Amino acid sequence: GQNIDQPTEMTATEGAIVQINCTYQTSGFNGLFWYQQHAGEAPTFLSYNVLDGLEEKGRFSSFLSRSKGYSYLLLKELQMKDSASYLCAVRDRDYKLSFGAGTTVTVRA
Amino acid sequence: IAGITQAPTSQILAAGRRMTLRCTQDMRHNAMYWYRQDLGLGLRLIHYSNTAGTTGEGEVPDGYSVSRANTDDFPLTLASAVPSQTSVYFCASSGGLATDTQYFGPGTRLTVL
Repeated sequence: GQNIDQPTEMTATEGAIVQINCTYQTSGFNGLFWYQQHAGEAPTFLSYNVLDGLEEKGRFSSFLSRSKGYSYLLLKELQMKDSASYLCAVRDRDYKLSFGAGTTVTVRA
Repeated sequence: IAGITQAPTSQILAAGRRMTLRCTQDMRHNAMYWYRQDLGLGLRLIHYSNTAGTTGEGEVPDGYSVSRANTDDFPLTLASAVPSQTSVYFCASSGGLATDTQYFGPGTRLTVL
């Protein structure tokens, strides 16, 4: 099974940078995903890491260290629309995802 | 427009009643999934199907059943609803390849009284 931990809440100012950490313990690792979920909406895919290192996609970057069971999502140049929950998910060898409880990010003006 | 649809959008149900949540995708994805999302617990996998004709249990399968008669549809049935099944239910699908991500439907908000 999977045990996935991420902070419950984070607050940051518009234009700033926020880093959301995710640690996991897994019986079989086959990739780590980050999803964004606005209140009342479905999760939408942000990033995918399967090898160690940094994946950059515009204002969002995601990092993975498999040996440490650790990932982070970096949100740069924060905008008000970035206020949402961010979900860390680990995929096992059967392609099933296990999700963390999510981190609610609030962006203040 | 390609994607995943779910029905109903929301439902209030009396305990003991039978309920089927519908999920349809038109992306020809092989794999489909049902999750429930509860405050503070995140998304939990109920059942999944890697391809038409096969299904498997996820983390919280008790009280739920699924079928996968074809590629597009993956209904979730609550045989006798209980209040603890009050939740938001999301259906998802993926191509099933190593690099494929899961795409989520809009969700069904179910309240069991």
